[in-house]
Amino acid sequence: DVKVTQSSRYLVKRTGEKVFLECVQDMDHENMFWYRQDPGLGLRLIYFSYDVKMKEKGDIPEGYSVSREKKERFSLILESASTNQTSMYLCASSRDREGQPQHFGDGTRLSIL
Amino acid sequence: SQQGEEDPQALSIQEGENATMNCSYKTSINNLQWYRQNSGRGLVHLILIRSNEREKHSGRLRVTLDTSKKSSSLLITASRAADTASYFCATDRGNTGKLIFGQGTTLQVKP
Repeated sequence: DVKVTQSSRYLVKRTGEKVFLECVQDMDHENMFWYRQDPGLGLRLIYFSYDVKMKEKGDIPEGYSVSREKKERFSLILESASTNQTSMYLCASSRDREGQPQHFGDGTRLSIL
Repeated sequence: SQQGEEDPQALSIQEGENATMNCSYKTSINNLQWYRQNSGRGLVHLILIRSNEREKHSGRLRVTLDTSKKSSSLLITASRAADTASYFCATDRGNTGKLIFGQGTTLQVKP
């Protein structure tokens, strides 16, 4: 079975801090995704990557950046955390592009104080 | 804008009953997927149905797809308390691997 591991289940940070969320998958998947999930807004795509060192903006990239130095690892970076970035962050991976399911980690619930 | 929208937003049934959730979408798709999310956890993929398929089964799950009406339904038969979760439909954005998720249906199955 595919395993997608997010480094923290819960995280509390302060405004202005640089925050790193890590995600690792063990199935050699090409695609990796970062979403945030908020009540009433569903899942929104922040960034995604089709391959190592490749990244593309999703629907809400402002205030975020990503890094993919190795195929199995996809990091989400909050450059200067703000309270409106308090959310549940979900990482996912998938094989190829079209017609494949995404496999999700358990999420990181991030609180910015 | 939301591609997939689920209906109803919330559903409460007794154990043993069937649960039906609907999803509508706006543009043409290659496939539609259903996911489950238990409280505080990540999403789990349930089933994928391609645009040239009309119905698909997996255990107690039955998914239908009507591309002419741009809609899909997920039926869970003989529900169990463990089926309590949120259910999301997701549609692809062309051949990109990216998905657009609906807002989800929250299902409560009472024992």
